[in-house]
Amino acid sequence: QVTLRESGPALVRPTQTLTLTCTFSGFSLATRGMCVSWIRQPPGKALEWLARIDWDDDKHYLRSLKTRLTISKDTSRNQVVLTMTNMDSVDTGTYYCARSVAAGGNFFFDSWGQGALVTVSS
Amino acid sequence: DIEMTQSPSTLSASVGDRVTISCRASQYIDNWLAWYQQKPGRAPTLLIYGASNLQGGVPSRFSGSRSGTDFTLTISSLQPDDFATYYCQHYNGYPWTFGQGTKVEIK
Repeated sequence: QVTLRESGPALVRPTQTLTLTCTFSGFSLATRGMCVSWIRQPPGKALEWLARIDWDDDKHYLRSLKTRLTISKDTSRNQVVLTMTNMDSVDTGTYYCARSVAAGGNFFFDSWGQGALVTVSS
Repeated sequence: DIEMTQSPSTLSASVGDRVTISCRASQYIDNWLAWYQQKPGRAPTLLIYGASNLQGGVPSRFSGSRSGTDFTLTISSLQPDDFATYYCQHYNGYPWTFGQGTKVEIK
C-alpha cells in the first residue's frame, strides 16, 4: 500500500523559507520510473503543480517559481524535501506531495498525501 | 504553457442524474489527461488517466472521453458520494497544469 505524508510548519513569516518533508512508504524512489511531486492549493482555489523529483535525481520546477524552489530526496529515508524561499501571503495554502509512475509518459498522480496547510502571516 | 479550461464551474444535480464535465486544452495533448475528485478538506483522488482509463477501484459509473482537445468526464448515475469538486490535469510536457475545477452540488 502506497502512503505519503507531508510535514512541516503550519505558520511561516513573510520572507522566511518554508521547508516541507514528504515521507512515503510502499514504494522506493530508487526504483526506475518512480517520481514524487509537490502540488499546492490556495484556499478555495485550484491545484498548482510546483516541482518533481525522479528516481534518477532528475528535477523539474514550475518555471514561474523556479528561483524559489528546491526539491531533493533522501532515498534511504524514503523522504522528499521541498524548500521555498521568500514566502509571501500568496503562498498560503495546502501543500501536497504525490507520486507518479513514469511508465510510458504517464505522469498522473496515483497517490497523494493528506496535505499540509501552510499559512504565511506576520 | 498549456491552459486547461473546465466548464461549468458549478453544477447542480440530483442523485441518479447523468452528469458531464468538460475540460478543454489550449493545445493538442493527445490522451495525456487525468481526472481527479476532491472532497472538502481531503486530498484529490485519481479517477481517470489517459483520458479514458478508469483507475483501479473507481466505480464504473465514471468514464472519460476525448474529442480533439476537448475532454469529458461523465458520471452515468450520480450517487451521494459523488458530490465533490472535479479537476482535470494534463501531463503533456511541462508545466503540468490543472483546470480550475468543477463543483458538483446537490440540487
